[in-house]
Amino acid sequence: GAVVSQHPSRVICKSGTSVKIECRSLDFQATTMFWYRQFPKKSLMLMATSNEGSKATYEQGVEKDKFLINHASLTLSTLTVTSAHPEDSSFYICSARGQGAMSYNSPLHFGNGTRLTVT
Amino acid sequence: SQQGEEDPQALSIQEGENATMNCSYKTSINNLQWYRQNSGRGLVHLILIRSNEREKHSGRLRVTLDTSKKSSSLLITASRAADTASYFCATGSNFGNEKLTFGTGTRLTIIP
Repeated sequence: GAVVSQHPSRVICKSGTSVKIECRSLDFQATTMFWYRQFPKKSLMLMATSNEGSKATYEQGVEKDKFLINHASLTLSTLTVTSAHPEDSSFYICSARGQGAMSYNSPLHFGNGTRLTVT
Repeated sequence: SQQGEEDPQALSIQEGENATMNCSYKTSINNLQWYRQNSGRGLVHLILIRSNEREKHSGRLRVTLDTSKKSSSLLITASRAADTASYFCATGSNFGNEKLTFGTGTRLTIIP
């Protein structure tokens, strides 16, 4: 159980275009989803916390107008990278917690990540 | 800034040996979790230890937590080639905050 599906796994886009990444919880309802960015051989950097039905909470230094997050249902959150630039190239990973889970004492379930390359 | 720092950054051992990774953190925590990441993939939760626990086992994994030293260790016994991955510690607090903060990771290579 507790499967998180992230799509696409890889995407290449041109500078100036927008890319949407989907994160779905397949067998549980996720009230909270988290979006991370990971640089090669580095740790995960939290970008934003996405709560179903409300606005996402962005971490300091993350541009909310550039990284649009929508969490419209209990099983789907999307991250849209708008007007992508080569420096946005990275590995983006989503994660989710189950509904009703004591948030700080429960593990996160991760998607398999999206490798974004902006040319 | 990263809460956790793993040590060592990279570790190579022979198959069958034990692998030990350490994690240090800076602030008060409610729990500490260890995750594994295969190259180019998402993270998989391994084990969670609460702040009032000192040691926890799960299969070939043994985790210790020393809150006075703000440190944790992950021991993988009888390592296998399939254990090759990056391992991250992550800390959670309950100060009105659901976030997990990840450490810098240890890249473990098991040599067959």
